Amino acid sequence: AQSVAQPEDQVNVAEGNPLTVKCTYSVSGNPYLFWYVQYPNRGLQFLLKYITGDNLVKGSYGFEAEFNKSQTSFHLKKPSALVSDSALYFCAVRHMDSNYQLIWGAGTKLIIKP
Amino acid sequence: GAVVSQHPSWVICKSGTSVKIECRSLDFQATTMFWYRQFPKQSLMLMATSNEGSKATYEQGVEKDKFLINHASLTLSTLTVTSAHPEDSSFYICSARVNLAGVSNTGELFFGEGSRLTVL
Repeated sequence: AQSVAQPEDQVNVAEGNPLTVKCTYSVSGNPYLFWYVQYPNRGLQFLLKYITGDNLVKGSYGFEAEFNKSQTSFHLKKPSALVSDSALYFCAVRHMDSNYQLIWGAGTKLIIKP
Repeated sequence: GAVVSQHPSWVICKSGTSVKIECRSLDFQATTMFWYRQFPKQSLMLMATSNEGSKATYEQGVEKDKFLINHASLTLSTLTVTSAHPEDSSFYICSARVNLAGVSNTGELFFGEGSRLTVL
């Protein structure tokens, strides 16, 4: 079965430090991988995606993610965290059907402390 | 990027009444829209896939008669919560897949801002 795992419910990082939000996946075929961010009482915003090509993908707000096929991971990273990065982050993989459904991770709450 | 507008953002209603939530794609056509429900501190739960001009496809366990979905045009899908009860209180989010002719679609979705429904 296809699935996405975000092993950490919450990640705490001090402002200015690098951050990593973990994501692993299990999907048949080549995956399309996505990261979204959700601020309180808001919809989701697209951050970045991996389709093919370079394993390091750069996205919005200074975020990047590294696709690792051997480890089936797609961790989200940022070199220097900001307090405003505090939000809920979702990893997703594209479902291989005609409607392009996404399979979602459970979400990771990122807290950046000043 | 593509903009999806969802309305209303907040709605409070009495038990037994029906509530309609609209999801519009503002600058693109969306043949497919998705409706999600999100419980506090939880991930998104896909309720149904809405296809323009045809019946919605509901996920297992979602009551079709309870959550009516209509996708009458390429830019509008609506979710109607019929005879709402307090247990229907939740955050409902719609999303749309950009459908551009001649462009390979890699599947990212664009989301509305969500609608917070509170049933008293």
